[in-house]
Amino acid sequence: EIVMTQSPATLSVSPGERATLSCRASQSVSSNLAWYQLRPGQAPRLLIYGASTRATGIPARFSGSGSGTEFTLTISSLQSEDFAFYFCQQYINWPPVTFGGGTKVEI
Amino acid sequence: QVQLLESGPGLVKPSQTLSLTCTVSSGSIRSGGYYWTWIRQPAGKGLEWIGYIYTSGSTNYNPSLKSRVTISLDTSKNQFSLKLTSVTAADTAVYYCARGYPGNNFADSWGQGTLVTVSS
Repeated sequence: EIVMTQSPATLSVSPGERATLSCRASQSVSSNLAWYQLRPGQAPRLLIYGASTRATGIPARFSGSGSGTEFTLTISSLQSEDFAFYFCQQYINWPPVTFGGGTKVEI
Repeated sequence: QVQLLESGPGLVKPSQTLSLTCTVSSGSIRSGGYYWTWIRQPAGKGLEWIGYIYTSGSTNYNPSLKSRVTISLDTSKNQFSLKLTSVTAADTAVYYCARGYPGNNFADSWGQGTLVTVSS
């Protein structure tokens, strides 16, 4: 099972600032990496797949990068609706699909 | 755009069976080659992939839950379901249904989730 590790666990930022979230895989997942946003009471949303491809309808301020074992999600200018939890997921080696422990982006 | 909605009891007694249904709207569950998936999130913890059922009816489960999980498809109702037997407090979580992208296994659409508490 591939273990996904996210850092930091909590990221405190101000609106308009840049946020950089990290995700590390215990072995190479090539570019088979997705990022999701979870907000309480709402359906989770796919942000990025293929490590760097934005999903349909995702604003350009969200960008993903990396390959192999090191990945980054960048939110270029945080909006109020971006304060949420973010999870990375590998999908090269399953079952099981595995997720990182998450990063909470807070004000 | 496809929508998914979970339904089922919010409280289950220990040792009993947890049963949830996901209703899919604005799209047929039989088409597209998607993986109809269940994922859960215990309070304060990360996401755990439970498993999926393919449009053909084939299934794939998390090895850690495989002995207790069954995912089934009801194409006449455009629904898929989760059964988890012999539940304990550790199974208390928000349960999400989701649609896995063809050929890959990331989830491009999710339900809002439903909280299931295991308690006597």
